[in-house]
Amino acid sequence: DARVTQTPRHKVTEMGQEVTMRCQPILGHNTVFWYRQTMMQGLELLAYFRNRAPLDDSGMPKDRFSAEMPDATLATLKIQPSEPRDSAVYFCASGRTGGYYNSPLHFGNGTRLTVT
Amino acid sequence: QKEVEQNSGPLSVPEGAIASLNCTYSDRGSQSFFWYRQYSGKSPELIMFIYSNGDKEDGRFTAQLNKASQYVSLLIRDSQPSDSATYLCAGTYDAGGTSYGKLTFGQGTILTVHP
Repeated sequence: DARVTQTPRHKVTEMGQEVTMRCQPILGHNTVFWYRQTMMQGLELLAYFRNRAPLDDSGMPKDRFSAEMPDATLATLKIQPSEPRDSAVYFCASGRTGGYYNSPLHFGNGTRLTVT
Repeated sequence: QKEVEQNSGPLSVPEGAIASLNCTYSDRGSQSFFWYRQYSGKSPELIMFIYSNGDKEDGRFTAQLNKASQYVSLLIRDSQPSDSATYLCAGTYDAGGTSYGKLTFGQGTILTVHP
């Protein structure tokens, strides 16, 4: 089964440190999404890319978060500096889009981030 | 106001019963809807998607979409304890729009199926 791969699975870091999360989308998927999930807010869209171009990052705090897609097989989400309120599970999802109906999104296993 | 709202739950049903999960959406431009299941500590897993008005059945699951009333529902027949999870409803634009598959999720409904 093809799947979205995220690393690391868990990350514990101290406030102020840089955190980098990585995602390998399913081969052939041209759209990659970063979501954050917390108990209070549920699943929130942070940013997404289509054909490696950023389409929307309005959900992301711009001063500390950055998302990139250096090639078709790698998407990264970086937080610098990290803060305790960034503690959450970060999911990457990928899909194939551009037709009349887009394919459903497939989620990776997530990165559970704890900032102390 | 969230664009996708789910009945808050939690929902508890006995094994073998029908579980009914509901979702309403505010944006009439939404075209496609998805139901994801999420077990505690796991990632969302796609159960069903529906694009057209009416019912769509897959095994024990039936998704229903009513675009005029702007609601989506998921029925789980013969509920099993293994169905206990959080169920997430999500909507998206399609049909050549610019959202390219961007999903807006509801808060989720926690379902517990007790033996």
